[in-house]
Amino acid sequence: KNEVEQSPQNLTAQEGEFITINCSYSVGISALHWLQQHPGGGIVSLFMLSSGKKKHGRLIATINIQEKHSSLHITASHPRDSAVYICAVRTPTKLVFGAGTILRVKS
Amino acid sequence: EAQVTQNPRYLITVTGKKLTVTCSQNMNHEYMSWYRQDPGLGLRQIYYSMNVEVTDKGDVPEGYKVSRKEKRNFPLILESPSPNQTSLYFCASSSGWEETQYFGPGTRLLVL
Repeated sequence: KNEVEQSPQNLTAQEGEFITINCSYSVGISALHWLQQHPGGGIVSLFMLSSGKKKHGRLIATINIQEKHSSLHITASHPRDSAVYICAVRTPTKLVFGAGTILRVKS
Repeated sequence: EAQVTQNPRYLITVTGKKLTVTCSQNMNHEYMSWYRQDPGLGLRQIYYSMNVEVTDKGDVPEGYKVSRKEKRNFPLILESPSPNQTSLYFCASSSGWEETQYFGPGTRLLVL
């Protein structure tokens, strides 16, 4: 079993829809990152969380340390949100990545 | 502009021919790392460095070397590349172990 599991693997949404991507992990962590990778390949860090909730524009990230679960929400989705979203957890010795969620938002 | 740069961006080489991929950051970050990304396997950490002259292995260090002689630079060295090292490579830096990481643009390597 992978230490970091993301769901769904693929997601297609209509423009304007509310989107949720989930990340569950099985190891002890000090922080969790949400990353975005566009088709060109570049990776951008969206959030770094150790507790609670963070919001940036239309993006919201939450983490529940007790349940070892994090969610990334996108409100009022737009075609430019189409990308791969990657969850990564920071353990005492390494950064472990999820397999990513491929999001496509259709207009 | 704060950034992480990598060179080259694309490289085609042959088995056994030593190569170096450079990584440089202008943010005075202490922590730097190298990752490879492969279809179906996702991102995996190769090596990381907590500071100058301090480096450690990640999940997949075999076949790679790194050095950290200056704070801003963290080159990745493939002494004798093999086809299984064909991959997309990313360098990243952050101000601390748990802080937000800034990624370079990636280097696509093909080893024939």
